[in-house]
Amino acid sequence: NAGVMQNPRHLVRRRGQEARLRCSPMKGHSHVYWYRQLPEEGLKFMVYLQKENIIDESGMPKERFSAEFPKEGPSILRIQQVVRGDSAAYFCASSPNRGGEQFFGPGTRLTVL
Amino acid sequence: GNSVTQMEGPVTLSEEAFLTINCTYTATGYPSLFWYVQYPGEGLQLLLKATKADDKGSNKGFEATYRKETTSFHLEKGSVQVSDSAVYFCALSGTQGGSEKLVFGKGTKLTVNP
Repeated sequence: NAGVMQNPRHLVRRRGQEARLRCSPMKGHSHVYWYRQLPEEGLKFMVYLQKENIIDESGMPKERFSAEFPKEGPSILRIQQVVRGDSAAYFCASSPNRGGEQFFGPGTRLTVL
Repeated sequence: GNSVTQMEGPVTLSEEAFLTINCTYTATGYPSLFWYVQYPGEGLQLLLKATKADDKGSNKGFEATYRKETTSFHLEKGSVQVSDSAVYFCALSGTQGGSEKLVFGKGTKLTVNP
């Protein structure tokens, strides 16, 4: 049973470009969480999604960031017009149900030049 | 809002030494408490958890007790091994905004030398 998959593992973008981060949850999991880890800080919650629905986006920046979890395919975290402050590690976690244990992926490390 | 404060690292110990990593929290209601471990290049793995006051979580020789009176969840291990070298995160969750999102401390890097 494969774990949570994230790709790419490393992503380099120039300022103003778009970044797309993908997360494939564990088989049978329909709940996905995205977290961001800035340098020297702990992980911060961004958004919680179930299939085709955003349940809680209270941690998402108001501009440039969006997330989706379509009926088929991975969850996508999209960052438009990236800035240097977006450089961070982005972790995805999945769970089989609300309140269930969250299983984390290895993260995507985004570097904005 | 909810928050977690954990002991700053890095922590360096010799093999078989006793480990304590302090963690305190601020929360409304009755959160669940967790310790996660992150090995180099990998995602976070759940190490142990406790869901109510006075519960003790334990796994792989690690223990932590949910202390409501001191709002603490300190991680302990009696005898560490080189393979325990990793970053340890204390976290809490509680229903806020309709989700069970986790709130993390900043992490404590542990290095165990042979």
